[in-house]
Amino acid sequence: NAGVTQTPKFQVLKTGQSMTLQCAQDMNHNSMYWYRQDPGMGLRLIYYSASEGTTDKGEVPNGYNVSRLNKREFSLRLESAAPSQTSVYFCASKDQVNTEAFFGQGTRLTVV
Amino acid sequence: GIQVEQSPPDLILQEGANSTLRCNFSDSVNNLQWFHQNPWGQLINLFYIPSGTKQNGRLSATTVATERYSLLYISSSQTTDSGVYFCAVLNSNSGYALNFGKGTSLLVTP
Repeated sequence: NAGVTQTPKFQVLKTGQSMTLQCAQDMNHNSMYWYRQDPGMGLRLIYYSASEGTTDKGEVPNGYNVSRLNKREFSLRLESAAPSQTSVYFCASKDQVNTEAFFGQGTRLTVV
Repeated sequence: GIQVEQSPPDLILQEGANSTLRCNFSDSVNNLQWFHQNPWGQLINLFYIPSGTKQNGRLSATTVATERYSLLYISSSQTTDSGVYFCAVLNSNSGYALNFGKGTSLLVTP
């Protein structure tokens, strides 16, 4: 029972490089989310997908794009990485509104 | 969006002590969860508790939805309880994602 799986776990990028963070869930959940966590802060929502085929901006979407590839997978893309995007990224999934959310193990990204 | 405030921001306990962490929120909620982020960064689900009281071993939680707060109780603390505790809430009128507080950082010393 894997739950929510994120890849990679660690990544170092140079400023201007691009990359895609992958997230997959095996719980048949409708909704998926990308958050970022910075030191001393809680988690802030970047983008979410309430259901397959839909995506919406969260609190901090600038510099990111997302793709809900299918019900299982939700990817986050950085087109031109900046040092301000150095953070820990978490993917999450949940089913209906009144149900529990589950998080992946996180991706620690450093942009130099 | 809905505001979430957690207190205290930092807490140091000696092993065996009890503690209460508080989460206040600014609007009615459909969903409230408590998480423990361990020193390795993993987010561990503790409670899904939009209302009422739940217990799991040495931990328990109470949410008083009408008064817009939730409490997490840790009894007989252990060093493995160290980490950051987050409260997160969802108000479906404001969207479908959890809004997080900034957390309570707990250190339990031997």
